[in-house]
Amino acid sequence: KNEVEQSPQNLTAQEGEFITINCSYSVGISALHWLQQHPGGGIVSLFMLSSGKKKHGRLIATINIQEKHSSLHITASHPRDSAVYICAVIRGNKLVFGAGTILRVKS
Amino acid sequence: DVKVTQSSRYLVKRTGEKVFLECVQDMDHENMFWYRQDPGLGLRLIYFSYDVKMKEKGDIPEGYSVSREKKERFSLILESASTNQTSMYLCASSVGEGWGYTFGSGTRLTVV
Repeated sequence: KNEVEQSPQNLTAQEGEFITINCSYSVGISALHWLQQHPGGGIVSLFMLSSGKKKHGRLIATINIQEKHSSLHITASHPRDSAVYICAVIRGNKLVFGAGTILRVKS
Repeated sequence: DVKVTQSSRYLVKRTGEKVFLECVQDMDHENMFWYRQDPGLGLRLIYFSYDVKMKEKGDIPEGYSVSREKKERFSLILESASTNQTSMYLCASSVGEGWGYTFGSGTRLTVV
């Protein structure tokens, strides 16, 4: 079993829909990243959080440390949100990655 | 604008060639990392370095070596490239203890 599990693996949504991507982890962590990877490879860190909730534009990330669970929400989704979303937990000096969720938003 | 720069976006090499992948960061970060990313397997850590001339093996170091002679530059070396090393390679740096990660744009390496 992977230390970091993401669901769903693939997600197709219509433009405007509310999207949720989930991340569960089985190890003690200091914080968690949500990363976005567009076709072509480059990875951008969307959020780093260790408790509670963060919001940036249409993106919201929450984490429950006791339940070892985090969610990434996208409100009013748009085709430009189509990307791979990766959850990564921070253990010491290193990141441990989930397998990623491939999101496709259709217009 | 802070950056992690990887020298090549696409690279095609022949089996048996020695391959150098270069990564440079301009943020004075202590830690630098090399990952490979494969479909269905996600990102896996090959090597990381927490200081000049210091290196540690990650989860999949076999077939790779690294060099960090200067703080800003971290090189990944494939001593004798093989087809199973065809992959996307991503470099990252961080301030320390998992904070402030920045990723490069990736190098897609094909070994033929």
